[in-house]
Amino acid sequence: DTGVSQDPRHKITKRGQNVTFRCDPISEHNRLYWYRQTLGQGPEFLTYFQNEAQLEKSRLLSDRFSAERPKGSFSTLEIQRTEQGDSAMYLCASSKPTDTQYFGPGTRLTVL
Amino acid sequence: QKEVEQDPGPLSVPEGAIVSLNCTYSNSAFQYFMWYRQYSRKGPELLMYTYSSGNKEDGRFTAQVDKSSKYISLFIRDSQPSDSATYLCAMKGSGGSNYKLTFGKGTLLTVNP
Repeated sequence: DTGVSQDPRHKITKRGQNVTFRCDPISEHNRLYWYRQTLGQGPEFLTYFQNEAQLEKSRLLSDRFSAERPKGSFSTLEIQRTEQGDSAMYLCASSKPTDTQYFGPGTRLTVL
Repeated sequence: QKEVEQDPGPLSVPEGAIVSLNCTYSNSAFQYFMWYRQYSRKGPELLMYTYSSGNKEDGRFTAQVDKSSKYISLFIRDSQPSDSATYLCAMKGSGGSNYKLTFGKGTLLTVNP
C-alpha cells in the first residue's frame, strides 16, 4: 500500500529562480490538496483539485504560484520568481470525497 | 482571533504520564475534527478522525469533542518516548466547505525516558 509521495524532498534554490514540485496521491483518491507550512505554524491551505479540476485557490496562492493536475492523477506546484518568503514545507494530501486527508512527506523549499 | 487556537507548548512529560492536548475553535461550521502527529521534518500523520461530540478511543489515544464549548482534546495514556512529536489539531466544515482543513499551530510534546 503506497501512500502519498512527493518529489523532491528538499529543494534549495536562489531567489528569482523557478521551482516545480510533484505530488503523487494515493491511487483511488480523486481529491488532491496543497498546503504550505512555515516553522512553528500549522499547515495552511493553498489549493484543491477534484479529479483534474482546480476548485479552490487560497488568497495565499499569489500569481507566481500555479498548480496543475493533468488527467486527474499526479499534481505539480510551480513557483515562479521565488522569494525568500517562499521558504517553507509544501505538503500534498489526498482523499476520497467523504474521507479525511492523508499527507505526503512534504517538499522543503529553501530560497537563498 | 484565529479560527483554531492551540497552545504551542512545549510540553515535557515523563514516560508513562497521561498527556492532554487541547484546541479551541470559533467557527461553528466546523463539524469534523482530526488529530495529526508530525515528527520533525516529516509530513503530518493522521491519528484520530471524529465527527460527533463525545469520545473516540484508539489504543492509547482518546479524542474528545465538545461542540457546545467548541473544544477538542486528545489524551495519550502511558506515553512513550516515541510519542515525542508535534501534535496538530485540524478541522473542517461539511457540505460545500468540506475540502479545506484548518489547523492549529501544533503542540510540541517531549516524552522523557
